[in-house]
Amino acid sequence: AQSVTQPDIHITVSEGASLELRCNYSYGATPYLFWYVQSPGQGLQLLLKYFSGDTLVQGIKGFEAEFKRSQSSFNLRKPSVHWSDAAEYFCAFHAGNNRKLIWGLGTSLAVNP
Amino acid sequence: NAGVTQTPKFQVLKTGQSMTLQCAQDMNHNSMYWYRQDPGMGLRLIYYSASEGTTDKGEVPNGYNVSRLNKREFSLRLESAAPSQTSVYFCASAPGPYNSPLHFGNGTRLTVT
Repeated sequence: AQSVTQPDIHITVSEGASLELRCNYSYGATPYLFWYVQSPGQGLQLLLKYFSGDTLVQGIKGFEAEFKRSQSSFNLRKPSVHWSDAAEYFCAFHAGNNRKLIWGLGTSLAVNP
Repeated sequence: NAGVTQTPKFQVLKTGQSMTLQCAQDMNHNSMYWYRQDPGMGLRLIYYSASEGTTDKGEVPNGYNVSRLNKREFSLRLESAAPSQTSVYFCASAPGPYNSPLHFGNGTRLTVT
């Protein structure tokens, strides 16, 4: 079955520390991959996407993600976290001509000052 | 540029009451979506409209109806609200139906008592 797994429900990091949020997908081919961020009380905002080509993609707010086909992963990274990065992060993929996105359950990020 | 606008932001209903959630986008997008977000369950697709004049069921359509009034507007109706429909509802739009990133509204928090 097509699915997205975000293994970490909640992560806490200190401000200035590096961050990696994990995302694994289950699908028989290379999907279109997305990371979205949801700040408290807000809708979701696209951070970055991967469709093809360079497996390291850059996004907004200083985030990047790396697609690894062999591991079926699309992990999100940031070298130095800011307090404003505290939010919920969702990984999702679009499987070929299926009309809907497959969503992970999200990872909640807290940032300690 | 407003993007995706949802009204109302908050609503409390009694069981059995009806209401319509409004959504409008000003980005000339073809596709529009209604999601609900519940703790521990992530985002679940209720209905979507790939283009003006078409609507399709998502994962959890029971108890809801939709209308794609024109290219800009996509409303969600609860005919007889139930406590199980207590949730945060998000409208989203995208340029196309498949791999286009979604643009989200800020949500409607609905409580059914």
